[in-house]
Amino acid sequence: GAVVSQHPSWVICKSGTSVKIECRSLDFQATTMFWYRQFPKQSLMLMATSNEGSKATYEQGVEKDKFLINHASLTLSTLTVTSAHPEDSSFYICSARIPGTYSNQPQHFGDGTRLSIL
Amino acid sequence: GDSVTQMEGPVTLSEEAFLTINCTYTATGYPSLFWYVQYPGEGLQLLLKATKADDKGSNKGFEATYRKETTSFHLEKGSVQVSDSAVYFCALDSGGSNYKLTFGKGTLLTVNP
Repeated sequence: GAVVSQHPSWVICKSGTSVKIECRSLDFQATTMFWYRQFPKQSLMLMATSNEGSKATYEQGVEKDKFLINHASLTLSTLTVTSAHPEDSSFYICSARIPGTYSNQPQHFGDGTRLSIL
Repeated sequence: GDSVTQMEGPVTLSEEAFLTINCTYTATGYPSLFWYVQYPGEGLQLLLKATKADDKGSNKGFEATYRKETTSFHLEKGSVQVSDSAVYFCALDSGGSNYKLTFGKGTLLTVNP
């Protein structure tokens, strides 16, 4: 089945540093990838939609200068949390969708990245 | 806009009990419906899907039927196991811009031996 790899799985860093999270589709080319944030015991909140070769589309209320998204190839999207602060601590999950023009294609999710800012 | 309503959890069952997690939706057009499962500390895994009315998705003993007349997609399993303990998310894709998923709030299932 489709596999999405996310790295790192856990990162702890000091306030003010920038953190990059990678999301790779391992056995298919993903023209569209999604980045979510999940707070404890809550559902997923879509942050942005990443399309290969174009600028990401951010959801309302998400700071595009804080959360930089790059989708330079069909198998890799990255999320960079710039100048991270403790309130950015969260569980970040990416997903990728197998290309297709119908809504019946599911999204396939990475295992998530636990980000802790001290 | 699109929305998904799941039954509130947590749900606690004994092993071999019958499971139902209710899910209803509101959407434009003819959405595809999904159930995802999230084990502690992990991302989401696709459990099953249905793409049109009256379709039944099934996997690992779980089933859900796409009911257009009641706009529902309830998840069922006849006999749960301890290993089924996880959070279950109902979701829909109405095929709009970029095929974004709309999630329910999730239901925590705990199965005791």
